[in-house]
Amino acid sequence: GAGVSQTPSNKVTEKGKYVELRCDPISGHTALYWYRQSLGQGPEFLIYFQGTGAADDSGLPNDRFFAVRPEGSVSTLKIQRTERGDSAVYLCASSPDLRKSGELFFGEGSRLTVL
Amino acid sequence: AQSVTQLGSHVSVSEGALVLLRCNYSSSVPPYLFWYVQYPNQGLQLLLKYTSAATLVKGINGFEAEFKKSETSFHLTKPSAHMSDAAEYFCAVTYRGGRRALTFGSGTRLQVQP
Repeated sequence: GAGVSQTPSNKVTEKGKYVELRCDPISGHTALYWYRQSLGQGPEFLIYFQGTGAADDSGLPNDRFFAVRPEGSVSTLKIQRTERGDSAVYLCASSPDLRKSGELFFGEGSRLTVL
Repeated sequence: AQSVTQLGSHVSVSEGALVLLRCNYSSSVPPYLFWYVQYPNQGLQLLLKYTSAATLVKGINGFEAEFKKSETSFHLTKPSAHMSDAAEYFCAVTYRGGRRALTFGSGTRLQVQP
């Protein structure tokens, strides 16, 4: 069956540009998560959705970062006025049930490079 | 607040030797604990999880971990390393009733020498 799909797999952009990263979760998974992984670090939580609403966005580093999930399936992470420090791998994960014990299914990530 | 600390960013073992990757957690309530593995150019995969049932948890590829509340530890072990075990391993924590997102450690890169 299909896993979590993330596009693009690689994105190179210039400082100050706008970027969108897309995540297509496993069909039927109600919870969706965004993490950011910098080189040599573990994944850092950004935001998670339960259905269409953001249940916890406390990990977003500042107001340049925004994420949506309008129909409760596909999600888009949006980064405005990109900075070199935004360079990282952005990971998306989904989970079938909020009541389950936190097991997440990850995509392969979108590698963002800001020049 | 919840957190995990992984001792040792790099571990190197010989093929056939014991693998021991250390993880200590901090949580004010009973935790759920996880080990994930990340192979090069692949997404994170769940190895095993502890969710308040048996304290000794068995996972895929011969790995296991033991939850020790008195030591606040959840170390990952495998009796005999294989070359294919070379990867990055992440310990993670969450807890029932709290924020559902996992909090990850900084990872341990396992090298297996022939």
